[in-house]
Amino acid sequence: GENVEQHPSTLSVQEGDSAVIKCTYSDSASNYFPWYKQELGKGPQLIIDIRSNVGEKKDQRIAVTLNKTAKHFSLHITETQPEDSAVYFCAASAYSSASKIIFGSGTRLSIRP
Amino acid sequence: DAGITQSPRHKVTETGTPVTLRCHQTENHRYMYWYRQDPGHGLRLIHYSYGVKDTDKGEVSDGYSVSRSKTEDFLLTLESATSSQTSVYFCAISESLGQETQYFGPGTRLLVL
Repeated sequence: GENVEQHPSTLSVQEGDSAVIKCTYSDSASNYFPWYKQELGKGPQLIIDIRSNVGEKKDQRIAVTLNKTAKHFSLHITETQPEDSAVYFCAASAYSSASKIIFGSGTRLSIRP
Repeated sequence: DAGITQSPRHKVTETGTPVTLRCHQTENHRYMYWYRQDPGHGLRLIHYSYGVKDTDKGEVSDGYSVSRSKTEDFLLTLESATSSQTSVYFCAISESLGQETQYFGPGTRLLVL
């Protein structure tokens, strides 16, 4: 089955700097890669996703890149702000009737003022 | 939280007692999921449902059962709670199995003494 590994587990960056979180997956059939943000005391919420037919997707300060050959994808947050402090999860799934989303172990991002 | 409620939000129970967690949605989404979240493990799927009375196991289903008698309600039961089931439990919903956004509830914090 699919296995998703996420690094680093914790990340601290200065406000205004960029943050990068990396994930690798094992199932070459995976074609959908969402990223979720979880604020303290709340459930995870989708912030961006990418499908295997594109290599990069941007939404304001957030971007995700996908390298299918290497089976890894990354989340990039530019010009970080205090409200970016949260736990971030990557995930992967394949298109089939039995495929479910598999989540990475999470990255706790802290923004230093 | 996309019309998803979980009850109770917090529960303390003793080893060996039965526990039922409830998830209720107002979005009429076909798929419903139960995850547990533990430090270092991210979100792990316990069980999911693809329709009324249609359920299937996830990666950590041992010790848990589920039922879905109505589209809007998905129950998670711990028949005989153990300390290893101390966790935060999240319900989620989606329109498709693995290729679209999952919307998460606010979570239930369960402590088994």
